[in-house]
Formats: sequence, structure tokens, C-alpha cells
Amino acid sequence: DAGVTQSPTHLIKTRGQQVTLRCSPKSGHDTVSWYQQALGQGPQFIFQYYEEEERQRGNFPDRFSGHQFPNYSSELNVNALLLGDSALYLCASRVLGRDDEKLFFGSGTQLSVL
Amino acid sequence: ELKVEQNPLFLSMQEGKNYTIYCNYSTTSDRLYWYRQDPGKSLESLFVLLSNGAVKQEGRLMASLDTKARLSTLHITAAVHDLSATYFCAVAPRFGNEKLTFGTGTRLTIIP
Repeated sequence: DAGVTQSPTHLIKTRGQQVTLRCSPKSGHDTVSWYQQALGQGPQFIFQYYEEEERQRGNFPDRFSGHQFPNYSSELNVNALLLGDSALYLCASRVLGRDDEKLFFGSGTQLSVL
Repeated sequence: ELKVEQNPLFLSMQEGKNYTIYCNYSTTSDRLYWYRQDPGKSLESLFVLLSNGAVKQEGRLMASLDTKARLSTLHITAAVHDLSATYFCAVAPRFGNEKLTFGTGTRLTIIP
């Protein structure tokens, strides 16, 4: 079992550019959530996808968008990048409704905006 | 808005000693998680606590939950160097709500 996989591991962009990050959930998981973790802080919830729809959203601007595919994998897109978007982006997956189970996180994508 | 506070933020302790990390949250919650994060790494899930009075233990770590006090604790027994990491608690407001709110983290350093 590969667990939650994310790509790429590192990315360098310049202000104003657009970026796409990818996530494959753990086998058997149907729900994917994305988090942003700035240096020295706890992760912040961006949004969650289930059945190819955005189910919940945190306090992030519309520049942050996502998608979930029929195979449950997911993408996070960020448009018009700002310096403040530099962070570790984490994807997490689990089975919706199984609240007694752990939420598994991927190893993350480190995004640097110059 | 759900707020989660951890203390202490930084903790330096000697090997063999015991200590407790505290996690307070501001509104009713159905689920509380504890995670470990090593520098430059992702989050490793330690515990899921679902009900008042829940206690879970693994190795030298034990987590408990008091939903009435809105408090969870992570107790470290006879600390060893390998436990050095940042520990986060995270709270979900209710079942079916996927939005976890994380605490600020406790950076734990175990000194030989």
C-alpha cells in the first residue's frame, strides 16, 4: 500500500504564475482534503473533495481551486501566486464517515514563490 | 470559530523524565487527533480520540480527552531522544465535518 502520494515534492514559481499540485489517496480512501502549512505553523484547511465535488472550504480565496477525479485522485490549483503562498501543501485522505479512523497525510509539496 | 491552543509551545526535557502537553479547544468537538511532525516531513497520525474520557496509549505516549473541559493531554513517559519532534493536536467540530483545526504545535526536544 503506497499510502497518500503527492507530486511534485518541491516546486519553485514566481509571483503571478499558476501552479498545479497532485495527490493520490491511500488505497480504499474516497475523501481528499488539502492543507497549507506555513513555516513554523500548524496546517490550515483549504478544502475537501468527495465524489468529485468540493464539500467544504476553509478561509482561502478563489485563487485556490481543486478537482477530484473518478479514481479519487485530486489536484490543487493556485492562480496568480503571491509570495505568501510559499508553504508546504499537504494532502490527506480517509474514508468518509469512518470517524474512528486516522486521517493519513502525504509527504507534501514544498512550494516556494519568488 | 473553533480555536485550538497548545501549551507549551516549546519544551526541552531530559531523557527519562515525564511531561504533558496540553491542548485546549473553544467549541464542542466530536473528534480530536494528535500528530507528530519531524522537521521537513509530513504529519504522522498518533491517536484519534472520539469520546469523553477516551484514553489511548502507544509506547511512551498516552493521550486523553475530556470533552467537558474541552481539553486533551499528551503524556510522555520516560522520554527518549527519538521522541524529539513537533506535536500537533487537531480538532474536528462534529462528525462528518472534515475541517480539522490545528493547534500551533509543541516543539519537543529531548536532551540526552
